[in-house]
Amino acid sequence: QSALTQPASVSGSPGQSITISCTGTNSDIGGYNYVSWYQQHPGKAPKVMIYYVTNRPSGVSHRFSGSRSGNTASLTISGLQAEDEADYYCSSYTTFATWVFGGGTKLTVL
Amino acid sequence: EVQLSESGGTLAQPGGSLRLSCAASGFTFSGYAMSWVRQTPGKGLEWVSDIVGSGDTYYADSVKGRFTISRDTSRDTLFLQMNSLRVADTGIYYCAKGACLSSICYHDFWGQGTLVTVSS
Repeated sequence: QSALTQPASVSGSPGQSITISCTGTNSDIGGYNYVSWYQQHPGKAPKVMIYYVTNRPSGVSHRFSGSRSGNTASLTISGLQAEDEADYYCSSYTTFATWVFGGGTKLTVL
Repeated sequence: EVQLSESGGTLAQPGGSLRLSCAASGFTFSGYAMSWVRQTPGKGLEWVSDIVGSGDTYYADSVKGRFTISRDTSRDTLFLQMNSLRVADTGIYYCAKGACLSSICYHDFWGQGTLVTVSS
């Protein structure tokens, strides 16, 4: 099972919006609603930001949103803030009853 | 408050064995699926194994036949028995709680991780 494909890095200025893509296949992202996104600050554990493609857990800022088109899921962060600087990972359930993560995207707030 | 605390990570030799533990609290442990996810140095997250509510277990191809996931519901503890260790198994091992009662769905809580280093 190959990792989902994410850009290695993205950047944006405070107040701007950015989008991180996550490309898979119809055996994972395109086939299931179990797509989630995780934020990880250096030395910390991952934290779920989006689940079931578009849902936001309580306590997560409304500035975070998720979407999907075909085999590609996306995480959009609007109104960028310095605290958003972190690594972001997508994840999906697969046809093989396994889970797959993306390679991770480093977000830099300029 | 949900808490997950991993232990057991240490330096091990290639071909050796380790047993990781994850003590859980703040939720009904027996009712939720649990996972082990690892993070290799400077790299991303890699799913390792699940144990779901029924007790069924699932493994990544990279660890199948070498690692065994189990749980002790009387002690609210998750385990990962790691045998025939390889250098490529080096990383931080996280236990993560599934959000759904009988399957993972997504991982809503994570422990702080325990470091496994496999080296001669």
